[in-house]
Amino acid sequence: NAGVTQTPKFQVLKTGQSMTLQCAQDMNHEYMSWYRQDPGMGLRLIHYSVGAGITDQGEVPNGYNVSRSTTEDFPLRLLSAAPSQTSVYFCASGQRGGQYFGPGTRLTVT
Amino acid sequence: GQQLNQSPQSMFIQEGEDVSMNCTSSSIFNTWLWYKQDPGEGPVLLIALYKAGELTSNGRLTAQFGITRKDSFLNISASIPSDVGIYFCAGLLQGAQKLVFGQGTRLTINP
Repeated sequence: NAGVTQTPKFQVLKTGQSMTLQCAQDMNHEYMSWYRQDPGMGLRLIHYSVGAGITDQGEVPNGYNVSRSTTEDFPLRLLSAAPSQTSVYFCASGQRGGQYFGPGTRLTVT
Repeated sequence: GQQLNQSPQSMFIQEGEDVSMNCTSSSIFNTWLWYKQDPGEGPVLLIALYKAGELTSNGRLTAQFGITRKDSFLNISASIPSDVGIYFCAGLLQGAQKLVFGQGTRLTINP
């Protein structure tokens, strides 16, 4: 099992550009989620999904879209990047509360 | 939103010392989780707790699910240099699908 994989590991965007952060898991978990981590802010939930075709907003959803067409994949889309979205993004999957995190994507928006 | 109060925010200890940290909330949780994050890595699940009063160990780590279901504790015995990192608690509220995270405890060990 590869667990939770994320691509890319690093990305630099200009303000206004769009991009998709990829997340995949091979553990057949129904629950997947996206977090952002900023210095001193801990982990903040962006969006989550309890199964294919079902998504919901977390604590900080503005500026991000998600979709869940398969159990394995949960991409996060930045529609129009802003410097405030500079952060480290983590995808996680799990069940019964225990979530397993990917290695993260470090995003810089200039 | 719901908050977890994790303390202390940081700890500076000597190698070999025991460590204690905790998370408290005004809300009732069904599940408590403890994670460790190394620099540049994603959080790694250390211990999961599912029942009030549950005491679970993972090597030198021991965590407890508080009886009131509003708190949890993590203890590390005989600390070693590789214990350095940030420890996060996380809780799953009754009837909720999403985890709530504490702000983290940064552990530094002096050899």
